[in-house]
Amino acid sequence: GEDVEQSLFLSVREGDSSVINCTYTDSSSTYLYWYKQEPGAGLQLLTYIFSNMDMKQDQRLTVLLNKKDKHLSLRIADTQTGDSAIYFCAESYGGATNKLIFGTGTLLAVQP
Amino acid sequence: DTGVSQDPRHKITKRGQNVTFRCDPISEHNRLYWYRQTLGQGPEFLTYFQNEAQLEKSRLLSDRFSAERPKGSFSTLEIQRTEQGDSAMYLCASSRETPQYFGPGTRLTVT
Repeated sequence: GEDVEQSLFLSVREGDSSVINCTYTDSSSTYLYWYKQEPGAGLQLLTYIFSNMDMKQDQRLTVLLNKKDKHLSLRIADTQTGDSAIYFCAESYGGATNKLIFGTGTLLAVQP
Repeated sequence: DTGVSQDPRHKITKRGQNVTFRCDPISEHNRLYWYRQTLGQGPEFLTYFQNEAQLEKSRLLSDRFSAERPKGSFSTLEIQRTEQGDSAMYLCASSRETPQYFGPGTRLTVT
């Protein structure tokens, strides 16, 4: 079955880099995604990567994909207090449906 | 592009009552998804529409739940005879192919 796992909590100091990790199980996933959720809000799409790519960079965000180990990471450079939120990793699953399977989320706390 | 909108944002209801939520997707997005998120968990897939056709339903979607997308535009999710276990955030997302863009969610509290 499909499963996505993430560590629950990460604390960093403002200005440092944050690295949030995720492992997934479905090797047929076409895309993998990172979403951000602030308290009481919906999910904001941060970035996504096609499964035949190893890396994608978008401003302060770098996504690394190790397909062999089914490991995905999100690096946030120069982390700011406004980056404090829950970060969800998700894989697309189910062929034509493209439904998303989410991890439980990683709470990122940025200390000033 | 005004984003995905959902209404209401919050709903408090008594156990046994029926509730209906609305989702307006991004215009021209033919795909629409409903997810449910409980406290401390990631969203879980409920159902998927392509245009007006409901093509997949999760086992989480019991007989008390029904979703529609008439004319392939907005969608409604109705829960009949609500139970306390239905308390959650209900999220709607839309897309053309990928990625999915989410609305702000409807938080349901069943007392």
